[in-house]
Amino acid sequence: AQTVTQSQPEMSVQEAETVTLSCTYDTSENNYYLFWYKQPPSRQMILVIRQEAYKQQNATENRFSVNFQKAAKSFSLKISDSQLGDTAMYFCAFVFTSGTYKYIFGTGTRLKVLA
Amino acid sequence: NAGVTQTPKFRVLKTGQSMTLLCAQDMNHEYMYWYRQDPGMGLRLIHYSVGEGTTAKGEVPDGYNVSRLKKQNFLLGLESAAPSQTSVYFCASSYFFSTDTQYFGPGTRLTVL
Repeated sequence: AQTVTQSQPEMSVQEAETVTLSCTYDTSENNYYLFWYKQPPSRQMILVIRQEAYKQQNATENRFSVNFQKAAKSFSLKISDSQLGDTAMYFCAFVFTSGTYKYIFGTGTRLKVLA
Repeated sequence: NAGVTQTPKFRVLKTGQSMTLLCAQDMNHEYMYWYRQDPGMGLRLIHYSVGEGTTAKGEVPDGYNVSRLKKQNFLLGLESAAPSQTSVYFCASSYFFSTDTQYFGPGTRLTVL
């Protein structure tokens, strides 16, 4: 069975510093996609970044970047120059691209950015 | 452009009552999804739809029914609510199936007493 594990339930970081959120997954699939979603206190989930498993290059979106290590089944999110608005729950998600549709979320990491 | 909207935002039911949650999207997306979010757990897929008139079961479909009579709307029904269905329900939509970004609604907090 496919699983997604976020081992850090809570983290905090000082404003303007860098923080890394970890995510590991378990699958025998070769073709899949990985996502990081942000859920602020308003509760609405927003996409942060997306990575295709067949791409070796790590995805980057402004201050957000990932360290994707396919062999290790690891997909960490790095937030640079943290801002107060980054305070939120962050969910890692894994999606199959073949066979039965599966969209599996981790349990989330609560990130607090401190002023 | 409102994106994905959900109605209602909050609801309290008694055990055995029925209700319908409405999800609407104005992005012309083909695919729509219903998830539930429980404390300490990630989102779990209840049902999804790959187009108007089609629905399919997700990971936790028991106790729920869905309908997609119009492309822009995806309804989630609880025929006989149970306390185990107390949760926050999220609707999402995407243009391409499974690999595309999903756009989420603001959620509905449902309490079943």
